[in-house]
Amino acid sequence: AQKVTQAQTEISVVEKEDVTLDCVYETRDTTYYLFWYKQPPSGELVFLIRRNSFDEQNEISGRYSWNFQKSTSSFNFTITASQVVDSAVYFCALNYGGSQGNLIFGKGTKLSVKP
Amino acid sequence: NAGVTQTPKFQVLKTGQSMTLQCAQDMNHNSMYWYRQDPGMGLRLIYYSASEGTTDKGEVPNGYNVSRLNKREFSLRLESAAPSQTSVYFCASSERRIDRELVYGYTFGSGTRLTVV
Repeated sequence: AQKVTQAQTEISVVEKEDVTLDCVYETRDTTYYLFWYKQPPSGELVFLIRRNSFDEQNEISGRYSWNFQKSTSSFNFTITASQVVDSAVYFCALNYGGSQGNLIFGKGTKLSVKP
Repeated sequence: NAGVTQTPKFQVLKTGQSMTLQCAQDMNHNSMYWYRQDPGMGLRLIYYSASEGTTDKGEVPNGYNVSRLNKREFSLRLESAAPSQTSVYFCASSERRIDRELVYGYTFGSGTRLTVV
């Protein structure tokens, strides 16, 4: 079965704290893609990152970093020194070769960053 | 700006009414999708179109029909709206090579918030 699990439904932190959002995926395919999207209160989906299954290199973009570990089927997202503007729902998603191209989403993690 | 355009942004329907959600993309992508988002459920695929002239059911197709009018446009129709179809609907597009490598990621429209009363 192809599946994405975001076990954390809601997380609340105080500004400047670091926070990690967990994502665990399941797929039998050897070629697949993993994504993170941000959905702010305004409702649009904002693309954050895409990673293919052959590239396990971790990535850093400003305060955002991603840790991809095939051994544990995880693709975790860390926000360093969180800010109020980071408050949003974050979705992890999986695309695999057999899916005809569609994305399988986790249920999302709602992050609240308080001043 | 290039992207995916959805109309309308908001809609209220009475139970039993019909309507069509419109989606158009100007990126020349082959694949298009309709998702619905419900609280605590993430996004779930309703229908998709891998290429012009083809459509397939996704995870939650009941109560919906789709039309891939041309490469740019992919519409979603509710023939007889029900309160269970109250949701936020997103259209998306992507491009994939023949060898199934994902060329471009997924571009999403801004969503349609539908309420059925």
